[in-house]
Amino acid sequence: QKEVEQNSGPLSVPEGAIASLNCTYSDRGSQSFFWYRQYSGKSPELIMSIYSNGDKEDGRFTAQLNKASQYVSLLIRDSQPSDSATYLCAVNTRGSYIPTFGRGTSLIVHP
Amino acid sequence: DAGVIQSPRHEVTEMGQEVTLRCKPISGHNSLFWYRQTMMRGLELLIYFNNNVPIDDSGMPEDRFSAKMPNASFSTLKIQPSEPRDSAVYFCASSPPGGGREKLFFGSGTQLSVL
Repeated sequence: QKEVEQNSGPLSVPEGAIASLNCTYSDRGSQSFFWYRQYSGKSPELIMSIYSNGDKEDGRFTAQLNKASQYVSLLIRDSQPSDSATYLCAVNTRGSYIPTFGRGTSLIVHP
Repeated sequence: DAGVIQSPRHEVTEMGQEVTLRCKPISGHNSLFWYRQTMMRGLELLIYFNNNVPIDDSGMPEDRFSAKMPNASFSTLKIQPSEPRDSAVYFCASSPPGGGREKLFFGSGTQLSVL
């Protein structure tokens, strides 16, 4: 069974700090990795995708992938209160277009 | 673009009643997903359609659940009879063909409460 694991949190960081969110997955055949942001009472929204080992940066967001260790992480620099949300990790295995989601990590950025 | 449109936004019903949830995917998208989200289990895939054909329905809980996609712009998820344990937020999502098909766009969801 494919599993995607995340610490449920909440992760609390002060405004301006770096928030680090982590995700591990069980299927070594996984090839595509995504981070979705979900505000309370809203739907998930895709914010990052990564396919190769290493870092991928987009504005204040950096996704990191290590396939050997089977983990993917999301760094949020200069965290803002508006970043407070649940962050869902999603993983696709080879040849599959159906993402498996983790249960999400709740992030709280306090002023 | 209006995005993925789901209706109703909220549904309150009594145990045993039939519930129908509706979804209009983004125009041009040919993949459609139904997910269910609860605090206990997170986001779970119910069914995946590609080009209106059900490809993976392994997540459909049991025979009480059924889903259809009669054309590229409409899908329904039906629960008959409904039970209290079906209470959850049901999301519909769509994705485009080609290289973007792994990137899902979610609707606003239907909050279902079965009493």
